[in-house]
Amino acid sequence: GAVVSQHPSRVICKSGTSVKIECRSLDFQATTMFWYRQFPKQSLMLMATSNEGSKATYEQGVEKDKFLINHASLTLSTLTVTSAHPEDSSFYICSAAWGDQPQHFGDGTRLSIL
Amino acid sequence: QKEVEQNSGPLSVPEGAIASLNCTYSDRVSQSFFWYRQYSGKSPELIMSIYSNGDKEDGRFTAQLNKASQYVSLLIRDSQPSDSATYLCAVRDDKIIFGKGTRLHILP
Repeated sequence: GAVVSQHPSRVICKSGTSVKIECRSLDFQATTMFWYRQFPKQSLMLMATSNEGSKATYEQGVEKDKFLINHASLTLSTLTVTSAHPEDSSFYICSAAWGDQPQHFGDGTRLSIL
Repeated sequence: QKEVEQNSGPLSVPEGAIASLNCTYSDRVSQSFFWYRQYSGKSPELIMSIYSNGDKEDGRFTAQLNKASQYVSLLIRDSQPSDSATYLCAVRDDKIIFGKGTRLHILP
C-alpha cells in the first residue's frame, strides 16, 4: 500500500525552540497533504490542509504564524512549530492523498516541550 | 455543519465473535467512505474503503454502506485480541471528515 514517511518520530526540546517535522510520500505523488494534532485519549484534530505549490488552508483556531506549513513538492510537506511551548506538546500526524484516493498517514511525531 | 457520528464506546466483544461498528453522516452528497484503525499511541491505518451501496469484504472485515439511510458500518468476524483499537470512520465529499472513533475491546 501507499507509504508515508514522517520524521522525526520523537522530539524533546526546550521551550522557545522551533521544531520542523517532515512528511514524505514515498511511492506516490501527493496532491494534498494534511496535518493533524492529537492529544492523549482525544480524537484527531485537523490543523491544516496543504496543496503542492499553494498556501496551506488552516482550520479555525489554528495560528498560521505559529504552525508554518510548506508543501514545496508533490512528495514533501513540512510543519514547523515556531517558538514551541509546553502546551504545544502533542502527537502530530501527517497524511497524504492523491486525487480521490484515501489518505494515508505517517507514523506521527511525538513532540515534548520542556 | 457536516458531521460524522460514532459511538465512542468502549465496545466489548468476546474473542471469536463478530464486532459491529457503526457510523452515521450528515451530508447526503458524500461519495467516499473509509474505516481506519488506530492503536493507542500510533497513527491511523486505512483498513477499508467503500464507495457504493452494499457490502465490501476483505478478509475478516466487511464494510457496509447505505447511502439512503446515511450510515456505514464495519463488521469484524472472528474477532481477535489484536483487533482491540479505536476505529475511525471517515467520510469525504469536498473534504474528508473523521468521526471521533469507537474504542473496541476484544475480550480474550
